[in-house]
Amino acid sequence: SYVLTQPPSVSVAPGKTASITCGGNNIGNKSVHWYQQKPGQAPILVIYYDSDRPSGIPERFSGSNSGNTATLTISRVEAGDEADYYCQVWTGTSDHCVFGSGTTVTVL
Amino acid sequence: QVQLVESGGGVVQSGRSLRLSCAASGFTFSNFAMHWVRQAPGKGLEWVAVISYDGSHKYYADSVKGRFTISRDNSKNTLFLQMNSLRPEDTAVYYCARDRQLLIDYWGQGTLVTVSS
Repeated sequence: SYVLTQPPSVSVAPGKTASITCGGNNIGNKSVHWYQQKPGQAPILVIYYDSDRPSGIPERFSGSNSGNTATLTISRVEAGDEADYYCQVWTGTSDHCVFGSGTTVTVL
Repeated sequence: QVQLVESGGGVVQSGRSLRLSCAASGFTFSNFAMHWVRQAPGKGLEWVAVISYDGSHKYYADSVKGRFTISRDNSKNTLFLQMNSLRPEDTAVYYCARDRQLLIDYWGQGTLVTVSS
């Protein structure tokens, strides 16, 4: 089965940049989507198709994907960005949706 | 606006069954594939199942295959998840979610299922 690996936690000071990685075998050949989940809330989509932003998501959120690693980057981090972040892909070979293990972003 | 409202969660004994429902509104339900995704307490997201817009294709996570059945009633804008032979490890918040070309663009607020041993 296809596995997506994320760091458990990332800490960042306000105003700085947070980078969250999502590792997977040849993930660069897949479309990667990112979700933000705050405590007690349902997830929301923040990046789709590697680097596109849904309407309403700040430009501070960006994404990239190449080789074996996809990355979600949050620039000029704010306290309100504290949340869990999950990457997701669809494994075309087995018709399964796969989520990464999740990364907790803490704003210092 | 898109709304997805889950219901049917609760406490059930191991080995028993439960049926979840998800009422959809604010969009043309019959045009979209739909997912169930779950989240155990304090854990990450786990995909459960997906059903195509017309119900003709269904795919399941290995952890639930053979025990859970996803279905839909497009005339009533409702998604279902029939869960049989429940296990304590099935304890989770179950989210109904809308598919948009193999990504999830809207999520419900979830319904909690607790399986006691």
